[in-house]
Amino acid sequence: NAGVMQNPRHLVRRRGQEARLRCSPMKGHSHVYWYRQLPEEGLKFMVYLQKENIIDESGMPKERFSAEFPKEGPSILRIQQVVRGDSAAYFCASSTSGINEKLFFGSGTQLSVL
Amino acid sequence: QKEVEQDPGPLSVPEGAIVSLNCTYSNSAFQYFMWYRQYSRKGPELLMYTYSSGNKEDGRFTAQVDKSSKYISLFIRDSQPSDSATYLCAMGGLTGGGNKLTFGTGTQLKVEL
Repeated sequence: NAGVMQNPRHLVRRRGQEARLRCSPMKGHSHVYWYRQLPEEGLKFMVYLQKENIIDESGMPKERFSAEFPKEGPSILRIQQVVRGDSAAYFCASSTSGINEKLFFGSGTQLSVL
Repeated sequence: QKEVEQDPGPLSVPEGAIVSLNCTYSNSAFQYFMWYRQYSRKGPELLMYTYSSGNKEDGRFTAQVDKSSKYISLFIRDSQPSDSATYLCAMGGLTGGGNKLTFGTGTQLKVEL
């Protein structure tokens, strides 16, 4: 019974490159949430998606960041033209449909921008 | 003012001690409350989930919610070195928010032999 799977675990990019982070939710979960964690800070909400729909992207930076959750395959968080300030741990969580459901997190992707 | 306030610690206790971790929040619309444990370089692991005011116990862990004071606590009895981690409070249930959670910054706990 696999949990939330994220890959890669570590990603190193140079400034200006693109970063793609992948997340496969738990089996039976159709809702995906992306969070970012900076050193000494808590988890900050970025985006909430269901299959083929972005439900809430109020936490996403206006530029360079995008997310998708296609009908088939994992959810992707894409960061274009990365800058050093994008260096952080990015966590994906999933839940079953509906509200008041528990969120289960993956192990995260540590993005380092050189 | 942050929506959720949590003392970052670090908090250091001897093995066997009772640990008290706390969060306060400002938005009375939050409906449910969670505690997550996060080991270094790992993802948050759900420990406790509570929906109403009062106490909920699970093994050595007790979660307490006081909605009137906007205050939540996590108590750990008979603390063990393996409890050394960062503890994050989280809350959700805002209208239209799905299962979106707002987190505290986390309290770093160290349980020493």
